[in-house]
Amino acid sequence: GNSVTQMEGPVTLSEEAFLTINCTYTATGYPSLFWYVQYPGEGLQLLLKATKADDKGSNKGFEATYRKETTSFHLEKGSVQVSDSAVYFCALHLSGYSSASKIIFGSGTRLSIRP
Amino acid sequence: KAGVTQTPRYLIKTRGQQVTLSCSPISGHRSVSWYQQTPGQGLQFLFEYFSETQRNKGNFPGRFSGRQFSNSRSEMNVSTLELGDSALYLCASSPQEGDRGTHEQYFGPGTRLTVT
Repeated sequence: GNSVTQMEGPVTLSEEAFLTINCTYTATGYPSLFWYVQYPGEGLQLLLKATKADDKGSNKGFEATYRKETTSFHLEKGSVQVSDSAVYFCALHLSGYSSASKIIFGSGTRLSIRP
Repeated sequence: KAGVTQTPRYLIKTRGQQVTLSCSPISGHRSVSWYQQTPGQGLQFLFEYFSETQRNKGNFPGRFSGRQFSNSRSEMNVSTLELGDSALYLCASSPQEGDRGTHEQYFGPGTRLTVT
């Protein structure tokens, strides 16, 4: 079936460290891929997206590349800040559907950055 | 543009009561979805409304219901509350139009429901 698998957290890093949060997916067709971020006490915010293979999404220093051959969409940032502490969700939207019911979220990865 | 707003932000109810949560989508968005977020189950899809019609429903009991008004505002209702209904309820709107659109979800801050 269709699914999204994220690396388990929590992930704890020091400020200015390099970040990778792994995300792999299983889906029929060619889904769109997303990373959402949830800061404490808030709802989810779209961080970046990619709609086709080899697309790179980027925002706020974060990047992720849609790799069809490895069915992956890993999130990376070269130098994290304390303000990046949040929960990160990888998600996919199944192709050919317009419904939100066809969006599949990963379980989330909690990231904590030490000053 | 104003973001998605949800009211109330916090709610405490007792078992057996019923509750209504409200969501106002981003202006121009016609799709509104509801999610339940808990530490154990993560983010679970409840239902989606598009142009006042429920388009899809997740795997939740009939105690969970919703509706959408002509101005796209949405409400969800939970009757006969159980302790396990304690969660953060998130509403999201989307600019999708029919089969087109980017499928991005814009989330509100959520309503934290505690059932005692």
